[in-house]
Amino acid sequence: SQQGEEDPQALSIQEGENATMNCSYKTSINNLQWYRQNSGRGLVHLILIRSNEREKHSGRLRVTLDTSKKSSSLLITASRAADTASYFCATEARGNAGGTSYGKLTFGQGTILTVHP
Amino acid sequence: DTEVTQTPKHLVMGMTNKKSLKCEQHMGHRAMYWYKQKAKKPPELMFVYSYEKLSINESVPSRFSPECPNSSLLNLHLHALQPEDSALYLCASSHWPQGADTGELFFGEGSRLTVL
Repeated sequence: SQQGEEDPQALSIQEGENATMNCSYKTSINNLQWYRQNSGRGLVHLILIRSNEREKHSGRLRVTLDTSKKSSSLLITASRAADTASYFCATEARGNAGGTSYGKLTFGQGTILTVHP
Repeated sequence: DTEVTQTPKHLVMGMTNKKSLKCEQHMGHRAMYWYKQKAKKPPELMFVYSYEKLSINESVPSRFSPECPNSSLLNLHLHALQPEDSALYLCASSHWPQGADTGELFFGEGSRLTVL
């Protein structure tokens, strides 16, 4: 089963509003990443947060990580129509002896965000 | 614009055909990946190559055969596929982990495969 589960599955908002997406996972992780995918195209990396970090910002994006609850959230502030896309969280599980799992990312089910102009 | 280039963008093949998907990156990354994505589903890892050697095979059927001829190129050879193999095939690359984690993956735009 997928490591990451996201909610909501779909989110529809007006331009200028904030969008919040949540991700839960099951095992210990080295990091959690968020990716964006426009319809039928490749994934674009948005932000990475490591297991020893609690919050990270990048432009209009804010990511939080709560390892005790095994959950993360992605906040997009002041949304734009161009933000319309699918958003996936992806976890890199902790490997043997606490090391790397060699790039093995497991993706959540994704949230489809629609921003209406 | 993505720095990982995949060709072809679209491929239609019959179940008896042999075809290949190609992926190229010039970022000096030593890790390359194949992911498969069905419609409205998340990407699923198929293979990981590190320094041109296969390091992870996620129990992928042998009708999919990966190849990494050099550090910039990654191929996926397809033979005797089934209609259920129709999907978007995504190639990605990354730095090879020096510490505990790999960091971000750079994805290509994908090759959309239809098996008739």
